[in-house]
Amino acid sequence: DVKVTQSSRYLVKRTGEKVFLECVQDMDHENMFWYRQDPGLGLRLIYFSYDVKMKEKGDIPEGYSVSREKKERFSLILESASTNQTSMYLCASSWIVGYTEAFFGQGTRLTVV
Amino acid sequence: GESVGLHLPTLSVQEGDNSIINCAYSNSASDYFIWYKQESGKGPQFIIDIRSNMDKRQGQRVTVLLNKTVKHLSLQIAATQPGDSAVYFCAENERGTSYGKLTFGQGTILTVHP
Repeated sequence: DVKVTQSSRYLVKRTGEKVFLECVQDMDHENMFWYRQDPGLGLRLIYFSYDVKMKEKGDIPEGYSVSREKKERFSLILESASTNQTSMYLCASSWIVGYTEAFFGQGTRLTVV
Repeated sequence: GESVGLHLPTLSVQEGDNSIINCAYSNSASDYFIWYKQESGKGPQFIIDIRSNMDKRQGQRVTVLLNKTVKHLSLQIAATQPGDSAVYFCAENERGTSYGKLTFGQGTILTVHP
């Protein structure tokens, strides 16, 4: 079974802190994604990566950065956390070719106080 | 079905009924569509997918219908069970240009009453 693992289920951080959300997948997928999920807004793409050290902005990249130093790991970084970044964050991975679904982690619920 | 706004569409059914969840997608160039189920406290899970060269695909108890003319997707769940209670999302992708990026609808809450 494909496994996408996010390092934390729940996080509470203070405004202004630098926050790292980590994601690891075990299927050798080329693509990895970070989504943010808020009530009534569905899943919105923050950043994605199709290869090591490659990254592309999604629909809402402001206030975030990412890092992909190894194929299996994709990190989301909040340089200076703000209260409007309180949300559920979901990591996903997929193959780059073919018609195939994305596999999701269990999510990290981040609260910025 | 899906709609713009902060309030998720909801669907309440009795156990054993059939459920139909609707989704309007936005990109006429999208050629791959997926339905995901998300239970409380979990990440989305794949249910079924369909490519744009098809208009119907069936799985176990689920059927997806695609109408490209009106950019509409539906998920039919037969003999709905309490375990089907969840939020259901449709997602679209334009495989040729977008590296597998999925664009999601806002979701529909399905509640199944015993």
